[in-house]
Amino acid sequence: DAGVIQSPRHEVTEMGQEVTLRCKPISGHDYLFWYRQTMMRGLELLIYFNNNVPIDDSGMPEDRFSAKMPNASFSTLKIQPSEPRDSAVYFCASSPDPLAGASFGPGTRLTVL
Amino acid sequence: ELKVEQNPLFLSMQEGKNYTIYCNYSTTSDRLYWYRQDPGKSLESLFVLLSNGAVKQEGRLMASLDTKARLSTLHITAAVHDLSATYFCAVDGGSQGNLIFGKGTKLSVKP
Repeated sequence: DAGVIQSPRHEVTEMGQEVTLRCKPISGHDYLFWYRQTMMRGLELLIYFNNNVPIDDSGMPEDRFSAKMPNASFSTLKIQPSEPRDSAVYFCASSPDPLAGASFGPGTRLTVL
Repeated sequence: ELKVEQNPLFLSMQEGKNYTIYCNYSTTSDRLYWYRQDPGKSLESLFVLLSNGAVKQEGRLMASLDTKARLSTLHITAAVHDLSATYFCAVDGGSQGNLIFGKGTKLSVKP
């Protein structure tokens, strides 16, 4: 199995631009999670899905952030408009069930200038 | 609000020594997870602890869970340089595997 796939791996953009991060979970994993990692705040859960349905988006920092999962093999996290404080590493993770723990993707390092 | 606290946050060890990292959490949970992260890399799952008294070992690392004390420990035996990394504990925030992470313990093993 290829593991969780994320793209792009690095993204540099200017303030005000739209950013879209992409994730392909491990096949057969019904749970998908988006995390953000910064030095100041550590690892924060942004949103998670079960069977493509958003379950809890209380971690999404602002209305500028949105996430979708149109099918079992694809999810996006969009930031519009982006701000410098959004600079972070964004991880997508997936899990086959609630007990198994999550497998993490390689992450997308986002820099907003 | 579920809180997960790790200590120490930074740990410098000499090779061959033993040490323990502690993870306390603020709510009842039977599920605790340990991850390792190398600089600039993703998180790698180390241990999944699913019940009170659970103990798991892999090489020089051993993890345990005491749900009554809301405490997990990660014990390092005879540390080697390859163990240098940041170690995170995480607790299930609800019932669907949504993990809440501690701040991490940055371990540096020096010769």
